[in-house]
Amino acid sequence: RKEVEQDPGPFNVPEGATVAFNCTYSNSASQSFFWYRQDCRKEPKLLMSVYSSGNEDGRFTAQLNRASQYISLLIRDSKLSDSATYLCVVNTNSGNTPLVFGKGTRLSVIA
Amino acid sequence: DGGITQSPKYLFRKEGQNVTLSCEQNLNHDAMYWYRQDPGQGLRLIYYSQIVNDFQKGDIAEGYSVSREKKESFPLTVTSAQKNPTAFYLCASSIGRKYEQYFGPGTRLTVT
Repeated sequence: RKEVEQDPGPFNVPEGATVAFNCTYSNSASQSFFWYRQDCRKEPKLLMSVYSSGNEDGRFTAQLNRASQYISLLIRDSKLSDSATYLCVVNTNSGNTPLVFGKGTRLSVIA
Repeated sequence: DGGITQSPKYLFRKEGQNVTLSCEQNLNHDAMYWYRQDPGQGLRLIYYSQIVNDFQKGDIAEGYSVSREKKESFPLTVTSAQKNPTAFYLCASSIGRKYEQYFGPGTRLTVT
């Protein structure tokens, strides 16, 4: 099982739709979880950290399910500007890699 | 204005030449990282440093070298031993190992 797995997509959704992405991780000892956004040919940018109790930032909601070892990102009222690749990032707390980045889920919001 | 800078944005080199990519941060972060991203692929860790004068190999360190003489700076040298050096190189920094990382704008290296 890969350390961090995401559905690559693409998810093509109309403006105003609600879309959710899941990400699974393999190391049950993982402590830190994040969602990043990466636009085409740009650097990844931190979207939000994911806390055990779940957290919300405007139209974005992140959830953590430790029992099933997955995190989720929900985007409500999608905007054209939300079109990007969303990277799931996990601190594995072991091995040589401080943070492990998923390959990303591509979202395309269509007018 | 705090942040991470990388230069140059685009770099072209002939095969067989070593090239050094610059990364500077003024966020006062202890940890710094170098990643490589190939088209349609995820980020792969090359090297990271948690403190000045110390660094560790990541998953794909072969053909690369780094130094960390100052807290603010973490240059990456792509040597002629790197078989496929053409890629998008990203530098990042964080407060510590398990914390969120902040990225510079990246350097696109093309080797022909």
